[in-house]
Amino acid sequence: SAVISQKPSRDICQRGTSLTIQCQVDSQVTMMFWYRQQPGQSLTLIATANQGSEATYESGFVIDKFPISRPNLTFSTLTVSNMSPEDSSIYLCSVKGGGVNEQFFGPGTRLTVL
Amino acid sequence: QQPVQSPQAVILREGEDAVINCSSSKALYSVHWYRQKHGEAPVFLMILLKGGEQMRHEKISASFNEKKQQSSLYLTASQLSYSGTYFCGTEKSSGNTPLVFGKGTRLSVIA
Repeated sequence: SAVISQKPSRDICQRGTSLTIQCQVDSQVTMMFWYRQQPGQSLTLIATANQGSEATYESGFVIDKFPISRPNLTFSTLTVSNMSPEDSSIYLCSVKGGGVNEQFFGPGTRLTVL
Repeated sequence: QQPVQSPQAVILREGEDAVINCSSSKALYSVHWYRQKHGEAPVFLMILLKGGEQMRHEKISASFNEKKQQSSLYLTASQLSYSGTYFCGTEKSSGNTPLVFGKGTRLSVIA
């Protein structure tokens, strides 16, 4: 299985600021996704990070709020912009591909917005 | 379409068995099962593919009924380490599409 790392692992931010989360995979993968998990809740897909093109966002998530980059097959970033306390969540990078159908998760970034 | 999991929560004594169900209103290609412990990321347990066999991970097994669009996770002779929240993730078509997750089943195993 792919080894996925995320930076930062946690952060406390002030309202109105932005945070960029990095996701690095140790091997090339076909697909990279970003999920959000609010406290005590399930995993909600934010977007699919597409290499070399704009990300595909799910209903309720927009590019201005959650810009995503994917410059190559092993790296992606998610920015949470103009943060409010409602953005306090765990943000998870997830990957699929490389010949297998399983989907794996990174360790997550725990974000608290004050 | 979010799959529906049941039960929402279950408490077991060590050694007891449990079944967690995951159902969808849409035809499914695959069902994936994960366990998440508090403060940690979800950990992949197994995948059930359309037309595939029943899978097993240690003393945990799962089945996939394509006609009913339902998967069941069977935890046998539960151990304390089985405690956590179990999520099913479903995929409607093959290929590189993201999983849609159910709301989870919280399992607590007590001594």
